[in-house]
Amino acid sequence: DAKTTQPPSMDCAEGRAANLPCNHSTISGNEYVYWYRQIHSQGPQYIIHGLKNNETNEMASLIITEDRKSSTLILPHATLRDTAVYYCIVRPTSTSGTYKYIFGTGTRLKVLA
Amino acid sequence: DGGITQSPKYLFRKEGQNVTLSCEQNLNHDAMYWYRQDPGQGLRLIYYSQIVNDFQKGDIAEGYSVSREKKESFPLTVTSAQKNPTAFYLCASSIRRDLGEAFFGQGTRLTVV
Repeated sequence: DAKTTQPPSMDCAEGRAANLPCNHSTISGNEYVYWYRQIHSQGPQYIIHGLKNNETNEMASLIITEDRKSSTLILPHATLRDTAVYYCIVRPTSTSGTYKYIFGTGTRLKVLA
Repeated sequence: DGGITQSPKYLFRKEGQNVTLSCEQNLNHDAMYWYRQDPGQGLRLIYYSQIVNDFQKGDIAEGYSVSREKKESFPLTVTSAQKNPTAFYLCASSIRRDLGEAFFGQGTRLTVV
């Protein structure tokens, strides 16, 4: 399984862009990068995912390096409500073709007023 | 509204008792998952199911059991064999085992006294 490495915590000023990095150096060619966030005591919420190209939606942008060994989630104008734990996941497959979402410990983002 | 529902939100049980956590989804998703989260930790996979009447152990299945008799329902039983059952339990579903993001319920916080 490809594993991900994220910094344990980050701070960001309200209104500024939050850039959350993720290293997934062992990712294989058919594996997607997914991002989720978890606000305290709630279930994780899907943010965005990508394979090779950069992606953008109403919540965030995802930048994946050309070698796909790392990615960055960008929240363009962070608000206090974006304070959460952010998880970067590489969606693994096993030889039997079953799929599991494997979550690490994520990055705890604190948006400061 | 379509979604995934976990009940109850808070659950208290005496040590040595089995307890069943409910998870229902009306998203018509094939795949469903159970995770456990301890304070300050990431999510750990307990069991997952790709289709009805089929399920596989995750990374920490000991002391837990599941069933998948209906597509909409994936209940988790925490048995007395689980050494440290007090935790936050999260259920999730995805459209198919090989497609789509995971949707999470709001979790059940189980406290065993």
